[in-house]
Amino acid sequence: GDSVTQMEGPVTLSEEAFLTINCTYTATGYPSLFWYVQYPGEGLQLLLKATKADDKGSNKGFEATYRKETTSFHLEKGSVQVSDSAVYFCALSSSGGSYIPTFGRGTSLIVHP
Amino acid sequence: EAGVAQSPRYKIIEKRQSVAFWCNPISGHATLYWYQQILGQGPKLLIQFQNNGVVDDSQLPKDRFSAERLKGVDSTLKIQPAKLEDSAVYLCASSLLTGSNTEAFFGQGTRLTVV
Repeated sequence: GDSVTQMEGPVTLSEEAFLTINCTYTATGYPSLFWYVQYPGEGLQLLLKATKADDKGSNKGFEATYRKETTSFHLEKGSVQVSDSAVYFCALSSSGGSYIPTFGRGTSLIVHP
Repeated sequence: EAGVAQSPRYKIIEKRQSVAFWCNPISGHATLYWYQQILGQGPKLLIQFQNNGVVDDSQLPKDRFSAERLKGVDSTLKIQPAKLEDSAVYLCASSLLTGSNTEAFFGQGTRLTVV
């Protein structure tokens, strides 16, 4: 079945540092890939998505590239801010999984001033 | 546009009691999901509705959990009787359609503590 593996957290960075959160997936067919973010006390919200190989999703300075050859969708940001502190979830949706969004366990990001 | 509404936000109950959660999806969204999110884990699907029909409930513990979506709009999720391991955040999400690149919109969730 479909599955998503994320790097363990927490990830602790200083403001303006470079961020990478690794995500790899297993899926049948050709999945769409997503990053969701959950700020403290709030629900999950879509951060970015990519629907086919080599697509790059981007939003709010975050980027992720759909790499079919390595089945990866790593999240990156060149310069993090304190306000980026949140939990980040990698997810996928595929025909093999009846298009039900399947999530990784989440990676907590803590950014210090 | 109003988002997905859930209530209550928090609930504390004793084991063996029953509890119900309510969800109002975004207007016009045909697909509704209930997820369980245990602390430190990602959301796990419990049930998916398409309008008022169940699409997937394979991971719903049917001996104690039930869900309905009357008239294809609001939905309720019930646990009876609750166990300690049911302590989690219960998330409701909706999407306009079902498809590989369809975004799911989430409510704030209901945090359940079973003592």
